[in-house]
Amino acid sequence: EVQLVESGGGLVQPGGSLRLSCAASGFTFSSYTMDWVRQAPGKGLEWVSDISSSGSAIYYADSVKGRFTISRDNAKNSLYLRMNSLRAEDTAVYYCARDWGLGNDHWGQGILVTVSS
Amino acid sequence: DIQMTQSPSSLSASVGDRVTITCRASQGIRNYLAWYQQKPGEVPKLLIYAASTLQLGVPSRFSGSGSGTDFTLTISSLQPEDVATYYCQKYDSAPRTFGQGTKVEIK
Repeated sequence: EVQLVESGGGLVQPGGSLRLSCAASGFTFSSYTMDWVRQAPGKGLEWVSDISSSGSAIYYADSVKGRFTISRDNAKNSLYLRMNSLRAEDTAVYYCARDWGLGNDHWGQGILVTVSS
Repeated sequence: DIQMTQSPSSLSASVGDRVTITCRASQGIRNYLAWYQQKPGEVPKLLIYAASTLQLGVPSRFSGSGSGTDFTLTISSLQPEDVATYYCQKYDSAPRTFGQGTKVEIK
């Protein structure tokens, strides 16, 4: 069974940093592109970033470019999102999602990040 | 960047009604479109990929169509368990933009 479990969320002050992790199991992690998708409270889904299976191709939404860094460790079956210079508008539930090339077929339960003083 | 626009933003229909949601891309994306269902308090679920292919386990009352810039998601006979917000997403290239969502309720 595919499982994606996010961790590392919480409350952070504006301008602060946070690192999200996503532990994957139940599939060959190193074969899949992985995505981060977020959802602000009461709002829609926003694609944040994705990383290819090898980590050689990385893309970001304009809203986070230069502040967020996606990475992965295939030996540890883990996906990461380093978030710097956090703003109030980054407050959201962050989902880790598997990208099978035809959309996101498996999603984690999500982790809440709150940016507030 | 290509924008994805869904309509309507919300709708209310009776059980058994046929429901249609549209998604328009600002430029052609061939058939690189997915539809997701997000029930209240739940994680998004992939319903349809490649514009018209049902994901395994999705009821046959759901269908998708379209190519290029115009796409539709149809629920042939709305059921109470279909109350959710539905999102389209382009995945031809980054950014993999979502539509703003369509909230479906029962009248």
